[in-house]
Amino acid sequence: GAGVSQSPSNKVTEKGKDVELRCDPISGHTALYWYRQSLGQGLEFLIYFQGNSAPDKSGLPSDRFSAERTGGSVSTLTIQRTQQEDSAVYLCASSATGPNQPQHFGDGTRLSIL
Amino acid sequence: EDKVVQSPLSLVVHEGDTVTLNCSYEVTNFRSLLWYKQEKKAPTFLFMLTSSGIEKKSGRLSSILDKKELFSILNITATQTGDSAVYLCAVVTGRRALTFGSGTRLQVQP
Repeated sequence: GAGVSQSPSNKVTEKGKDVELRCDPISGHTALYWYRQSLGQGLEFLIYFQGNSAPDKSGLPSDRFSAERTGGSVSTLTIQRTQQEDSAVYLCASSATGPNQPQHFGDGTRLSIL
Repeated sequence: EDKVVQSPLSLVVHEGDTVTLNCSYEVTNFRSLLWYKQEKKAPTFLFMLTSSGIEKKSGRLSSILDKKELFSILNITATQTGDSAVYLCAVVTGRRALTFGSGTRLQVQP
């Protein structure tokens, strides 16, 4: 597609459930990023994939968070045993080659934990 | 810990005014600084700055970086209501993807 696509756009779930968020980057972009934006806050880095290299997971807030990128394209962010503090907008971005290229963002998934 | 600070946090102006948004940073292994505009959903890319003193310009928006004093400014001239948004500053370092500031919320009143 023309831009970064994320699904679902909204997700409401009960505390303790697992959720999966999907990101489809711009075709040909080798770098993919996940960020989290809480209400009224800036973006918080979560994880970064670059080609076939090991991902930079340094931003993941706990071991309940994990992400995969299969085939160098689509990525899935999984949150296990969700907590209320996980409520936020989860944004995915991609760039052509890496951090020195502008990142292009999807519209995000708004996650609400009841 | 890398830090990016934006000021002011929010700003209300009238159409036609000129605004200056500030971004200062303290990071290790600076590579570049980016500005984004966020309206309702996805941040949209405005500028990437890597060299000091070279102004980047796009229409009524311009930005410049000072790597000695560790800050950047984003100027918007002849503001319009469509400029109302949150403006995000982010820094690329060698350690991780982007470190974002908390943003400046700009409201342009008719």
